[in-house]
Amino acid sequence: AQTVTQSQPEMSVQEAETVTLSCTYDTSESNYYLFWYKQPPSRQMILVIRQEAYKQQNATENRFSVNFQKAAKSFSLKISDSQLGDTAMYFCAFNQGGKLIFGQGTELSVKP
Amino acid sequence: NAGVTQTPKFRILKIGQSMTLQCTQDMNHNYMYWYRQDPGMGLKLIYYSVGAGITDKGEVPNGYNVSRSTTEDFPLRLELAAPSQTSVYFCASQKKWNTEAFFGQGTRLTVV
Repeated sequence: AQTVTQSQPEMSVQEAETVTLSCTYDTSESNYYLFWYKQPPSRQMILVIRQEAYKQQNATENRFSVNFQKAAKSFSLKISDSQLGDTAMYFCAFNQGGKLIFGQGTELSVKP
Repeated sequence: NAGVTQTPKFRILKIGQSMTLQCTQDMNHNYMYWYRQDPGMGLKLIYYSVGAGITDKGEVPNGYNVSRSTTEDFPLRLELAAPSQTSVYFCASQKKWNTEAFFGQGTRLTVV
């Protein structure tokens, strides 16, 4: 069975600094997608970034980038130039063939 | 475009009662999901569907049932409600399994 693990329940970072959130997953499949979602206090889930397992190049979306290590089954999220609006729960997610599962989440606080 | 609509937003149930959480999407998405999110925790997959007439169990299906008679609707049925089912429930949909998932606003359910 596929599993997604986020080992950092809480993290904090100073405004304008860089922070990395960790995620590992377990699967025997070779074709899958990985995602990072953000959940602010409003509870709305927002897609941050996604990565296809077959692509070696790490995905980037503005200040957000990933470090995808397929052999190690690791998928970390780097947030550069952190902003107060980045304060939220961040969830790593895995989808293979339609079964979308999430990690436990990391609560990120950006401090002024 | 309404997106994913969940009803009701809040509900209090007594132990042993039953209810149906409604979810409908108007984006012609094939994939639909039901999750529960306990306080400070991640999203646990209850059931999912890859198309009309097809449903499958997720990580925590016990105590729940679903049906998918149309592309638009994916209701979640709780039979014999228990306090352990107190949670926030999210419905989500995707066009394809490798695309962005869109979420409803959530249903806060309390079983007393």
